[in-house]
Amino acid sequence: SSELTQDPAVSVALGQTVRITCQGDSLRSHYASWYLQKPGQAPVLVIYGKNNRPSGIPDRFSGSSSGDTASLTITGAQAEDEADYYCNSRDSSDNVIFGGGTKLTVL
Amino acid sequence: QVQLVQSGTEVKKPGASVKVSCKASGYTFTGYYMHWVRQAPGQGLEWMGRINPNSGDTKYAQKFQGRVTMTRDTSITTAYMELSRLRSDDTAVYYCATSGGGYDNFAYWGQGTLVTVSS
Repeated sequence: SSELTQDPAVSVALGQTVRITCQGDSLRSHYASWYLQKPGQAPVLVIYGKNNRPSGIPDRFSGSSSGDTASLTITGAQAEDEADYYCNSRDSSDNVIFGGGTKLTVL
Repeated sequence: QVQLVQSGTEVKKPGASVKVSCKASGYTFTGYYMHWVRQAPGQGLEWMGRINPNSGDTKYAQKFQGRVTMTRDTSITTAYMELSRLRSDDTAVYYCATSGGGYDNFAYWGQGTLVTVSS
C-alpha cells in the first residue's frame, strides 16, 4: 500500500539516543528522506538517500533502512532537536508520500 | 543561495479558487521538479503534486485530481499552484518545495502560504 507509518510520539532523555521509525512497502524500493519541523516553520531536510546529511545538519542525525522500515537515529539528543519528524518516499507511480509524523519530546 | 519565496496569506470563501505563487532563485529553475505540499492546522504534511518546470509536465495526487492546476513561468522563474472549488478543509499552509537533486528529498522549501477558507 502507498502509506508510511510512524509512531505518533516518542520521548528521549537529554543526551541519550533515540530512533524514529517509518514503515511502508515503498521503502523496500526507495529510500526515505527525513525532515524535522518546529512550530510555525517550514520543514527542514535532515537525512536523504542511504544516509546523507545536507550541509549544516549535525552528525548526530543518521539514517538507516532494513526491509520495509527506515529509521532516523539521533545520537545524543539535544533540547533543540525537540520537533515533529516526518519521513517521505515515493510509490511505484512516483507519487510522493509522507508519514504521519512523530512528535519528539526531549526530557 | 537557493530561495523560494511564496505569495502572501489568502482568505477565500467556499467554492472560490486560490492561486499561490512560488518565486525561485539561486539555482537553475528548469533543472528540478517543483512540488507542492500542504499542512492543515495541527496535521501532517500532504503532497499535492509536482511540475517539471522544464517541460511543464505535471503529476497530481489522486486526491486533488480535477481541482488542482500547477503551472510555471520560466521567464520569471515562478511556479504556481491553483486550487479550485475550495472547501473549509482546504484551510492549510501551502508550501512549494524542491530537491535541488533527487526527486523526493526536498532540500528547499518556501516559507509557506496560509490559505483560509471561511464563509
